[in-house]
Amino acid sequence: QQQVKQSPQSLIVQKGGIPIINCAYENTAFDYFPWYQQFPGKGPALLIAIRPDVSEKKEGRFTISFNKSAKQFSLHIMDSQPGDSATYFCAASHSGSARQLTFGSGTQLTVLP
Amino acid sequence: DVKVTQSSRYLVKRTGEKVFLECVQDMDHENMFWYRQDPGLGLRLIYFSYDVKMKEKGDIPEGYSVSREKKERFSLILESASTNQTSMYLCASRGLAGRMAREQYFGPGTRLTVT
Repeated sequence: QQQVKQSPQSLIVQKGGIPIINCAYENTAFDYFPWYQQFPGKGPALLIAIRPDVSEKKEGRFTISFNKSAKQFSLHIMDSQPGDSATYFCAASHSGSARQLTFGSGTQLTVLP
Repeated sequence: DVKVTQSSRYLVKRTGEKVFLECVQDMDHENMFWYRQDPGLGLRLIYFSYDVKMKEKGDIPEGYSVSREKKERFSLILESASTNQTSMYLCASRGLAGRMAREQYFGPGTRLTVT
């Protein structure tokens, strides 16, 4: 059972564009929503995370938008750069679960120069 | 900085071999995890350990076992490797206290090919 659905699977944008990656979840007990960034040959690393008491969180060029009623959240990358080319994973967890994170299927982002 | 290291970056094994993947973390984290990563499927949890000698099955434990004899080390064992276990294997660790308590720190991964 896939509890976090991520789209699109791949995304190509021009430098300076604003790629948007979307995730939807089913479990209303989730209370922590991180995004991980993975470069080729590396393990995923935490990029930005949000809790459901806020609708938006911004860190540098990266913004998470969160819609609790729709059970959706998305990652926006402002002024995207070729160095942002990576695979992005959304995830979700709830405090009652020792196993922690349930991951989306990933989005491979390519930013063209 | 947290460091999670995995014993091999690339590994090629034959069908039926017993395979050991080792993971070591240096932050005294209580929790450790093993995932496999396959294109289009994201990261799927194989096993996790919340303390020394304690383990729980994740979503896809079949064909795998784990061992955690010391806090810093978590091993994934493929008892009899099969071709459908060809994948990228990622280890992660997580502490229980502090501002970053929910963050998982990942190793660089081991790309295992079973022929």
